[in-house]
Amino acid sequence: GNSVTQMEGPVTLSEEAFLTINCTYTATGYPSLFWYVQYPGEGLQLLLKATKADDKGSNKGFEATYRKETTSFHLEKGSVQVSDSAVYFCALSDRGSNYKLTFGKGTLLTVNP
Amino acid sequence: SQTIHQWPATLVQPVGSPLSLECTVEGTSNPNLYWYRQAAGRGLQLLFYSVGIGQISSEVPQNLSASRPQDRQFILSSKKLLLSDSGFYLCAWSADRGSYEQYFGPGTRLTVT
Repeated sequence: GNSVTQMEGPVTLSEEAFLTINCTYTATGYPSLFWYVQYPGEGLQLLLKATKADDKGSNKGFEATYRKETTSFHLEKGSVQVSDSAVYFCALSDRGSNYKLTFGKGTLLTVNP
Repeated sequence: SQTIHQWPATLVQPVGSPLSLECTVEGTSNPNLYWYRQAAGRGLQLLFYSVGIGQISSEVPQNLSASRPQDRQFILSSKKLLLSDSGFYLCAWSADRGSYEQYFGPGTRLTVT
C-alpha cells in the first residue's frame, strides 16, 4: 500500500533561516504529490503540488521537487517568516487509491522573530 | 471559484447526545467528498468518503455515520456521542479527475463532555 514518511519535528527556526522538511513516499503506481499547510485552528490549505517526476511545485516562496529516483518530495524555503509557523503535511494520491490521499503525520514548524 | 463550508464551527455536546455536522460545496458539480477527524497530535484520520449521491464508503468502524443527500452536501452524524468522539472534524472535496488534490473546509471543533 501507499505510505508517506515525513520528519515529525517539531522544527524551530529563527526568522530568515533556511527551511527543509523531508518527505519520502512509497506508492504502487505513479502518484501525484502534495504539501499542505495548517495554521492553528484552521483547515488544511494546499500549498503546492507536483504530478510527475522532476516537476517542481512552488508557492509563497516554498518549493518541492518530485524525485522519483529517491521517492522524495522535500519542502524548502530560503527565508522563513514568523507567519510561516504552522503544521505542514506531505501527501500523495494515485489512481489505485480510490480517490484517497495518503498523508504524513505532519511537521510542526515554529519560527521565532 | 469553489468554496467549501462547514458548520457549526465549534460544538460542545454531552456524552450520549446526537450529532449532526454539515458540509456544503459551491462552484463545482459531482465532487468527491470526504470527512476526516484530527485528534490532538495533528494526525488525520479519514472517516468516510463519497463519490456520488447516496454512495458512502467507511474507512473505520466507529460510532459515526455519513450521508450525502444532495450532490454537494455531506453530513456526519452520530446517534450517541462518546468521549472519544471529541476532535477537529474536517470536510474536504476533490474533483473526479486529474490529480485528486483535496480542498478542505475550515473545520468543526467538537468537544464531548
